[in-house]
Amino acid sequence: KQEVTQIPAALSVPEGENLVLNCSFTDSAIYNLQWFRQDPGKGLTSLLLIQSSQREQTSGRLNASLDKSSGRSTLYIAASQPGDSATYLCAVRPLLQGAQKLVFGQGTRLTINP
Amino acid sequence: KAGVTQTPRYLIKTRGQQVTLSCSPISGHRSVSWYQQTPGQGLQFLFEYFSETQRNKGNFPGRFSGRQFSNSRSEMNVSTLELGDSALYLCASSFLGNIQYFGAGTRLSVL
Repeated sequence: KQEVTQIPAALSVPEGENLVLNCSFTDSAIYNLQWFRQDPGKGLTSLLLIQSSQREQTSGRLNASLDKSSGRSTLYIAASQPGDSATYLCAVRPLLQGAQKLVFGQGTRLTINP
Repeated sequence: KAGVTQTPRYLIKTRGQQVTLSCSPISGHRSVSWYQQTPGQGLQFLFEYFSETQRNKGNFPGRFSGRQFSNSRSEMNVSTLELGDSALYLCASSFLGNIQYFGAGTRLSVL
């Protein structure tokens, strides 16, 4: 059974710092990995998707890496801003033919202090 | 292009009642998935529909059911509501198995 873990559960940093969020998963048989952002009481916003054959993806100040063999992914946020404050979730799509099921971690609640 | 639309946004029900939630996917997306989010369990997969067929189902009791219509719109139904069903229910749509786009969710409170 695929399990996804995110450490730390909460993180507070001053504005302007670069930071790394971690995600680990137990089964390397994945189709892809997706990072999401969730603001309080809201739905999920997709940030980056990494296919299993890829090593990293970048979008603006965000960079996500994937090491499938070790079951790890990181989300790097450069020059953090107060608007980056949110809960960040990673999710893997298991390698099951035709299945769109995502398995989520519990998230990292990020606070950027001005 | 309009995003994923979920209605209603908020619902208050009492134990024993049933409820139906609706999800309209992004135009052209044929896959619709449903998730339940609670503070204790996090995000858990309920089921996925593709071309009106349920392709995958999570570990939820039979009180949770769903369907998909020919226009890809989906509904989920929860019968005999329990207090523990209080949650944010999220719907996601995708095209050809790539990025899943989520709606804003329906917050269900069971009293």
